[in-house]
Amino acid sequence: AQSVTQPDIHITVSEGASLELRCNYSYGATPYLFWYVQSPGQGLQLLLKYFSGDTLVQGIKGFEAEFKRSQSSFNLRKPSVHWSDAAEYFCAVGPREYGNKLVFGAGTILRVKS
Amino acid sequence: DTGVSQDPRHKITKRGQNVTFRCDPISEHNRLYWYRQTLGQGPEFLTYFQNEAQLEKSRLLSDRFSAERPKGSFSTLEIQRTEQGDSAMYLCASSPGLAGGHEQYFGPGTRLTVT
Repeated sequence: AQSVTQPDIHITVSEGASLELRCNYSYGATPYLFWYVQSPGQGLQLLLKYFSGDTLVQGIKGFEAEFKRSQSSFNLRKPSVHWSDAAEYFCAVGPREYGNKLVFGAGTILRVKS
Repeated sequence: DTGVSQDPRHKITKRGQNVTFRCDPISEHNRLYWYRQTLGQGPEFLTYFQNEAQLEKSRLLSDRFSAERPKGSFSTLEIQRTEQGDSAMYLCASSPGLAGGHEQYFGPGTRLTVT
């Protein structure tokens, strides 16, 4: 069965500190991989995606993620967190067939201490 | 490009009533998706359309749920005889055609509360 695991329900970091959010997936083949961010009461905004090629991908707002096939992981990182990054972050996977459904993790809530 | 829009943003209804939500995708996006998100969980897939054709429905989509995309543009999601367990955020997303990529762009959601 397809599944996405985000082991950390909550993470608290100090403003200016580095951040890593973990994501592991179980899938029949290498899927497409995504990170989305959701602010309270809002929809989801796409941060970045991995389809193929370079396993380190850059996204918006200074985020990056690294795909590790051997570990079935796609961890999200940011070198210096800003207070405005406080939100909920979702990892998602989708099949390589065009435009099919996404499977999401349960999310990680990021709190930023000033 | 104004993004995906959803209406209403919030809906409070009594158990047993019918509700209908609307989603307007990004123009010229062929694929339209509906997801449901409950508190503390990630979105769960409900159904999707390629133009006006409904291609897949999740087992989560009981007989009380119906979705349409009559002209391949906007879509509606109707829930009949609502139950308290239907309380959730209903998210709509759209994605471009083959040349445009596989990512899905989400609307702000409709939060349904069944009392």
